[in-house]
Amino acid sequence: ETGVTQSPTHLIKTRGQQVTLRCSSQSGHNTVSWYQQALGQGPQFIFQYYREEENGRGNFPPRFSGLQFPNYSSELNVNALELDDSALYLCASSLGVDRSTDTQYFGPGTRLTVL
Amino acid sequence: QQQVKQSPQSLIVQKGGISIINCAYENTAFDYFPWYQQFPGKGPALLIAIRPDVSEKKEGRFTISFNKSAKQFSLHIMDSQPGDSATYFCAASITWHNQGGKLIFGQGTELSVKP
Repeated sequence: ETGVTQSPTHLIKTRGQQVTLRCSSQSGHNTVSWYQQALGQGPQFIFQYYREEENGRGNFPPRFSGLQFPNYSSELNVNALELDDSALYLCASSLGVDRSTDTQYFGPGTRLTVL
Repeated sequence: QQQVKQSPQSLIVQKGGISIINCAYENTAFDYFPWYQQFPGKGPALLIAIRPDVSEKKEGRFTISFNKSAKQFSLHIMDSQPGDSATYFCAASITWHNQGGKLIFGQGTELSVKP
């Protein structure tokens, strides 16, 4: 086990709704990264938070947003859900963002279905 | 822009055989190349990783071969076992300038090891 937990496990929403996914990182891990994994595909980088500030973003629209809290928990928020947002959402934590501390530990993911 | 290409998409190997999965990358700034193993319903788990200053890294039955000039790297699983049946992802990232942790994944290889 990686010590990274995510909630909920599964979620069903309808198009246009908003959703919040949660992640709890390992204690001491200052970095959290979020990924979207469509069925049969590799994970795609959404964004990263380092010490509560955004530290880079992938090719995702602004309706994907996040927060990181001092207690090593974080959130991914998605507004105006679209059918294509249906995917497994993964969070990954690491100690830091430099060469020696960037090993990523993934949680089990949240399966989001948009109807 | 797809920056990491992985092949084959699926692979069937007999127990005791060698499984080989290949990846090619485009961005020469990448300096960290991990392989992840993912079982159904689970998040990816780090298997083995390599930096471009070495051409090979071995951990138990798993070996990464790295060819910097060709911009290619591969995973070899020796003495493959049915328990190795999973989806394998190669990935790449840049770790300098505190950019670590933003992994670019390949499309995945579904490995099935037959008893």
